[in-house]
Amino acid sequence: DTEVTQTPKHLVMGMTNKKSLKCEQHMGHRAMYWYKQKAKKPPELMFVYSYEKLSINESVPSRFSPECPNSSLLNLHLHALQPEDSALYLCASSPWRYLSGANVLTFGAGSRLTVL
Amino acid sequence: QQPVQSPQAVILREGEDAVINCSSSKALYSVHWYRQKHGEAPVFLMILLKGGEQKGHEKISASFNEKKQQSSLYLTASQLSYSGTYFCGTAKTSYDKVIFGPGTSLSVIP
Repeated sequence: DTEVTQTPKHLVMGMTNKKSLKCEQHMGHRAMYWYKQKAKKPPELMFVYSYEKLSINESVPSRFSPECPNSSLLNLHLHALQPEDSALYLCASSPWRYLSGANVLTFGAGSRLTVL
Repeated sequence: QQPVQSPQAVILREGEDAVINCSSSKALYSVHWYRQKHGEAPVFLMILLKGGEQKGHEKISASFNEKKQQSSLYLTASQLSYSGTYFCGTAKTSYDKVIFGPGTSLSVIP
């Protein structure tokens, strides 16, 4: 199994809603990532979890709250988002965080979020 | 610091060749290449490490000039399936995160 699975594929939410994005991998990877991608732009790193611990937070607003319940699952909890947060949210995994500069990332297909 | 990619966009006919370039003003440890088709996940193509090690798909060719901090991705005998946006990503050290460049849009037409 060489996939990263993300749900939901599409999400529309209001600015007062609370929702979550989910990501799952069964490749035994120990690092998991959240990226944000705006249209015609490259993916931008948000968070990195290494061995289920938050390793990197790229100064992301607190309305985005990541969670890593176990080595296979990664969630992104969303609350009080703004319209400018509308984007494609990509989850990725890699074998390990250490030596990340040499890691190959396996991406999920993404969750397309629209904030009204 | 985000790497620079060139060209921004290229249109090829099937069977033609193309080169996509990636450069950085900082010394690099690694260069990564990914392709993303519209509405799909980015897919790993190649990683080139300082010192000459490379990992990637057999049909993909790339180079890494460590002195110039430049990498090039070579697409030969292009096929329709090569269409997509190509991102290079760079890392300054083995512990560093990968930062992606702005992307190069490649369209292969019949």
